[in-house]
Amino acid sequence: AQSVAQPEDQVNVAEGNPLTVKCTYSVSGNPYLFWYVQYPNRGLQFLLKYITGDNLVKGSYGFEAEFNKSQTSFHLKKPSALVSDSALYFCAVRNNFNKFYFGSGTKLNVKP
Amino acid sequence: DAGVIQSPRHEVTEMGQEVTLRCKPISGHNSLFWYRQTMMRGLELLIYFNNNVPIDDSGMPEDRFSAKMPNASFSTLKIQPSEPRDSAVYFCASSYGTSGGVDIQYFGAGTRLSVL
Repeated sequence: AQSVAQPEDQVNVAEGNPLTVKCTYSVSGNPYLFWYVQYPNRGLQFLLKYITGDNLVKGSYGFEAEFNKSQTSFHLKKPSALVSDSALYFCAVRNNFNKFYFGSGTKLNVKP
Repeated sequence: DAGVIQSPRHEVTEMGQEVTLRCKPISGHNSLFWYRQTMMRGLELLIYFNNNVPIDDSGMPEDRFSAKMPNASFSTLKIQPSEPRDSAVYFCASSYGTSGGVDIQYFGAGTRLSVL
């Protein structure tokens, strides 16, 4: 079965500390991987994507993600968290048939 | 571009009534997606159009749900008759797809539907 897993419902981190939001996937073929962020009462906004090439992808607002093929993971990271980063984060994967699978979302709480 | 535009932003209706949600995708985009988001089930893909043609409607929950895309700049999602369990936030997203496939999706602000 094809799927995306975000094992943590919530991640708490202090402002200024590094953050990691985890994502693993199971999909046939070569996946396209995405991270989106959702602020309250808003639609999802694109953060970054991996298609091919360098395993470390840089995106908006200082976020980056590392693709690990052997572990089928695509964890989202940021070296120094901001309170304004507090939001709901979704990992998504697209298979070769243009089918998208979204994870269940991880709520990031950054405390001052 | 104003982005993906959805209307209405909020809809409150009574069980059994017909509900129509509307979406205007970003100009030039050729793929359109309808999603439903609930606390219990998360984000679910309902249907995906490419060049105005439904490609994958396997996520449409039942016959009460129907979606149309009469042209490249407009799509509707209709629920008839509506039920309380249809209460959710419905998102429309659009994207530009090439022979390599669909890329980044741009989401509208969503329609919050409450069926009483």
